[in-house]
Amino acid sequence: NAGVTQTPKFQVLKTGQSMTLQCAQDMNHEYMSWYRQDPGMGLRLIHYSVGAGITDQGEVPNGYNVSRSTTEDFPLRLLSAAPSQTSVYFCASRLGLGAADNSPLHFGNGTRLTVT
Amino acid sequence: AQKVTQAQTEISVVEKEDVTLDCVYETRDTTYYLFWYKQPPSGELVFLIRRNSFDEQNEISGRYSWNFQKSTSSFNFTITASQVVDSAVYFCALSPGGSYIPTFGRGTSLIVHP
Repeated sequence: NAGVTQTPKFQVLKTGQSMTLQCAQDMNHEYMSWYRQDPGMGLRLIHYSVGAGITDQGEVPNGYNVSRSTTEDFPLRLLSAAPSQTSVYFCASRLGLGAADNSPLHFGNGTRLTVT
Repeated sequence: AQKVTQAQTEISVVEKEDVTLDCVYETRDTTYYLFWYKQPPSGELVFLIRRNSFDEQNEISGRYSWNFQKSTSSFNFTITASQVVDSAVYFCALSPGGSYIPTFGRGTSLIVHP
């Protein structure tokens, strides 16, 4: 059982470049989300989705886009990378509220992104 | 709005010491869920425990125990006889019932020295 798969594990970008962080889960989880983790700031929610075709902004959405065309995939796009987006990014998913109220999050292994 | 406070930024202990990680939360919801996650140096985030607001029973799992007290809005985590493998960042989180989105504390970094 693969769980939540994130790619790539590491990425270095130049300012202004674009890229997509991939996230896929094979647990039929309704909810998917992206977090960034910065020293001393904990986990901050970027965007989330409660089902295919539905996305919404989290705490720090600026500079990021998402889409959810399938239940399994939830890519995160950086349209024009900035040094402030240097961070570790985590994708997380969980069961829908109808299946299990507040089941725990399952996290991917993270992507370490550096923007120079 | 919910809030989770982990006041201890970093704790350093020597192996075999007992250590308690504090978690204090704020919520107006009567139904809510509390979680602890562990992030070892390898970086992945691992779920440890979930508690709902109607279940104040303490839980013990091996060397780990959790003390949930609604009267003080706390959900503290104790590691007995700590080991080097316990070194990690530990996150406490709260989700209101009926909400997908947890609120995380900023984490406590636990360093266990041999």
